[in-house]
Amino acid sequence: AQSVAQPEDQVNVAEGNPLTVKCTYSVSGNPYLFWYVQYPNRGLQFLLKYITGDNLVKGSYGFEAEFNKSQTSFHLKKPSALVSDSALYFCAVRDSTKAAGNKLTFGGGTRVLVKP
Amino acid sequence: SQTIHQWPATLVQPVGSPLSLECTVEGTSNPNLYWYRQAAGRGLQLLFYSVGIGQISSEVPQNLSASRPQDRQFILSSKKLLLSDSGFYLCAWCGTAFPQETQYFGPGTRLLVL
Repeated sequence: AQSVAQPEDQVNVAEGNPLTVKCTYSVSGNPYLFWYVQYPNRGLQFLLKYITGDNLVKGSYGFEAEFNKSQTSFHLKKPSALVSDSALYFCAVRDSTKAAGNKLTFGGGTRVLVKP
Repeated sequence: SQTIHQWPATLVQPVGSPLSLECTVEGTSNPNLYWYRQAAGRGLQLLFYSVGIGQISSEVPQNLSASRPQDRQFILSSKKLLLSDSGFYLCAWCGTAFPQETQYFGPGTRLLVL
């Protein structure tokens, strides 16, 4: 079975400071990893994904994430947070060996609050 | 480019009434389609997914059903709504070009059952 853990319900950061949102995963095969962001009353927006290749993945809005196989982690980072980054962030995983329906498993979400 | 639509955006229904939520995708063919429910602004629960017309897989036994009458149309239904059906319903699609497909989400429908 595949699973995702986002250990922090909320992350508070001052504007201009680095932002990190943590994610760890568990799959039986190789992972496909995704980050999404959700603003209030909106659908999820895709930020970035890791499938294979370079462990550092760059995505939308200045976000990046680093795949660490030994620690089974895929933390989301942004060097300098903006107030507009305040939102709910979801990490998701899919096992590369599971083809049926390409189903993702999502973490519980981390709320990010960036204060001016 | 591909776009995904959901309607209605908001719905208030009495307990025991029927439900029909619609999701359509434009700009792609033969997508995988998904229905999720998000309760209390947090985690997503996969309800149904479909890999083709008339092919529906249910993830969670419940009061809801899904249908896919056309390639790019996915419908979520209920014959009699329960209070516990309230939530934010999200439709998503992904391409079938194995293995690097990403799921893309619609704007969602907020359902309040009173």
